[in-house]
Amino acid sequence: AQSVTQPDIHITVSEGASLELRCNYSYGATPYLFWYVQSPGQGLQLLLKYFSGDTLVQGIKGFEAEFKRSQSSFNLRKPSVHWSDAAEYFCAVGPTGNQFYFGTGTSLTVIP
Amino acid sequence: KAGVTQTPRYLIKTRGQQVTLSCSPISGHRSVSWYQQTPGQGLQFLFEYFSETQRNKGNFPGRFSGRQFSNSRSEMNVSTLELGDSALYLCASSKSGTGGGTEAFFGQGTRLTVV
Repeated sequence: AQSVTQPDIHITVSEGASLELRCNYSYGATPYLFWYVQSPGQGLQLLLKYFSGDTLVQGIKGFEAEFKRSQSSFNLRKPSVHWSDAAEYFCAVGPTGNQFYFGTGTSLTVIP
Repeated sequence: KAGVTQTPRYLIKTRGQQVTLSCSPISGHRSVSWYQQTPGQGLQFLFEYFSETQRNKGNFPGRFSGRQFSNSRSEMNVSTLELGDSALYLCASSKSGTGGGTEAFFGQGTRLTVV
């Protein structure tokens, strides 16, 4: 069965520090992987996606993610975090149309 | 280009009542799906509609239903509301929804509170 695990419920980083959010997935075939961000009271905004090809994908707002098949991981990274990056981040696998399987999310706090 | 529009943004209902939520997808998108988001369960898939047909359904009771109109607008209905139905309901639209890897665009959600 498809599933996504985000091991870190909450992460706190200082502004300007680097960030890595972890995501592990379980899926039988080649997955389609996504990272979404959600600000309080808002919907989900797509940060980046991996369908195939280059395993390092670039997204919006300076984010990138690396697909590692051997580790079943798709970790999100940003070299320098800004205060506006504070939000909830969701990793998702989307095997069929719009039916995504989401992780439980990682809440990011940015300290000035 | 207008995004996904969900109405209303906020709702307060009483246990036992029913509620209808609306979602207008991005123009040209034919696939609409619905998710329930709660602090305890996270984001859970409710159902997906494509060209007025329900293609996928999540593991929710029959009290949760939906439909899609010929203009791709979708509604979801929850009957006999329970306290546990309090959640943020998110709608997502995409162009085709066929196969995997389709990019989905989410609305801002409808916050339903059942008292």
